[in-house]
Amino acid sequence: DSGVTQTPKHLITATGQRVTLRCSPRSGDLSVYWYQQSLDQGLQFLIQYYNGEERAKGNILERFSAQQFPDLHSELNLSSLELGDSALYFCASSVGLAENTGELFFGEGSRLTVL
Amino acid sequence: SQQGEEDPQALSIQEGENATMNCSYKTSINNLQWYRQNSGRGLVHLILIRSNEREKHSGRLRVTLDTSKKSSSLLITASRAADTASYFCATVNYGGSQGNLIFGKGTKLSVKP
Repeated sequence: DSGVTQTPKHLITATGQRVTLRCSPRSGDLSVYWYQQSLDQGLQFLIQYYNGEERAKGNILERFSAQQFPDLHSELNLSSLELGDSALYFCASSVGLAENTGELFFGEGSRLTVL
Repeated sequence: SQQGEEDPQALSIQEGENATMNCSYKTSINNLQWYRQNSGRGLVHLILIRSNEREKHSGRLRVTLDTSKKSSSLLITASRAADTASYFCATVNYGGSQGNLIFGKGTKLSVKP
């Protein structure tokens, strides 16, 4: 158990809908990262937050948004869903910043299926 | 964009054999990390090697780093069926103003009993 909690574990929805994925980082971790994993694209970095502030942005679509709340939990919002958004979405956390602290702790992921 | 690229994409071996996976990357790094992912599960950190280190061991894992060739290898000795998983290398990407951890596409290891 990594200590990172993601909900929901599975989600099935229709095209055009909006969903929210939630992540609770390990106790004491200030950084939260979101990754998307699909069969054809591998593990893609989406966005990183550090202590409530957006820190780095990767291949995140404009239809997607995220935030980190004062209690350090984070939410990833996916809107106007398309079939291609079907993927595993991972949240990870670390004490500090990736370039300094290294190890990321991953949750078990939220599997999104868009029909 | 991918920073690390693992090779081979898939590897099938018998229990007891050694498994070697390679990773190549493009830009300068502070450290390189290896992660493991069981099918459909979250990634688990295995080992981190810093840019000033050439080799590191952890149990049955041995990681090497050659910064001149921008490559790393992960060796799993005396493999077990439980080692069946995908293995990813990851480096910090300094594209843009901040660093973030970028993963390769992974090597899928299958260890047959």
